[in-house]
Amino acid sequence: GENVEQHPSTLSVQEGDSAVIKCTYSDSASNYFPWYKQELGKRPQLIIDIRSNVGEKKDQRIAVTLNKTAKHFSLHITETQPEDSAVYFCAATENDKIIFGKGTRLHILP
Amino acid sequence: NAGVMQNPRHLVRRRGQEARLRCSPMKGHSHVYWYRQLPEEGLKFMVYLQKENIIDESGMPKERFSAEFPKEGPSILRIQQVVRGDSAAYFCASSPGTGGTYEQYFGPGTRLTVT
Repeated sequence: GENVEQHPSTLSVQEGDSAVIKCTYSDSASNYFPWYKQELGKRPQLIIDIRSNVGEKKDQRIAVTLNKTAKHFSLHITETQPEDSAVYFCAATENDKIIFGKGTRLHILP
Repeated sequence: NAGVMQNPRHLVRRRGQEARLRCSPMKGHSHVYWYRQLPEEGLKFMVYLQKENIIDESGMPKERFSAEFPKEGPSILRIQQVVRGDSAAYFCASSPGTGGTYEQYFGPGTRLTVT
């Protein structure tokens, strides 16, 4: 079955700098890759997603890139702000379900 | 436009009791997914249901756990004879179509504590 690896597990960046989170997946049939943000004690929230027919997608300060050949995808957050502090999960599809990575805890340092 | 609803938000059960978790999907969504999240860990898929059908229960423990999504009413995740290891946050998500191509939106979760 699908296996999603996510790195790093923890990331600290200075406010205003960029943050990059990387994921790899194993199932070449996967065609949908969402990213979720989860604040402490709250529900995961979909922040951006990308489908396999697209190599890059951007939404304001957030961008996601996908390399289907290498089976990896990345989340880029630019001009980080304190409210970006949270746990971020990447995910990939396996048939009718979504398999999540273990998460990256992002700390934005003042 | 109400989002995904879950209740109760917090549930405390003694070992051996039953836990019933409810999930009402977003309006217009007919696909429901249940996930379990242990403290400081990711989301583990448990089961995928459509109305009156279990589509994929490959992530569900074989014993004590069951799920349903009746024609009327919310989806229910039932855990019988709970043990301490069942303590976790249980999230449901809904989508308008097949999870592989449609966005999933999560409910607020039910935090189960087994004492």
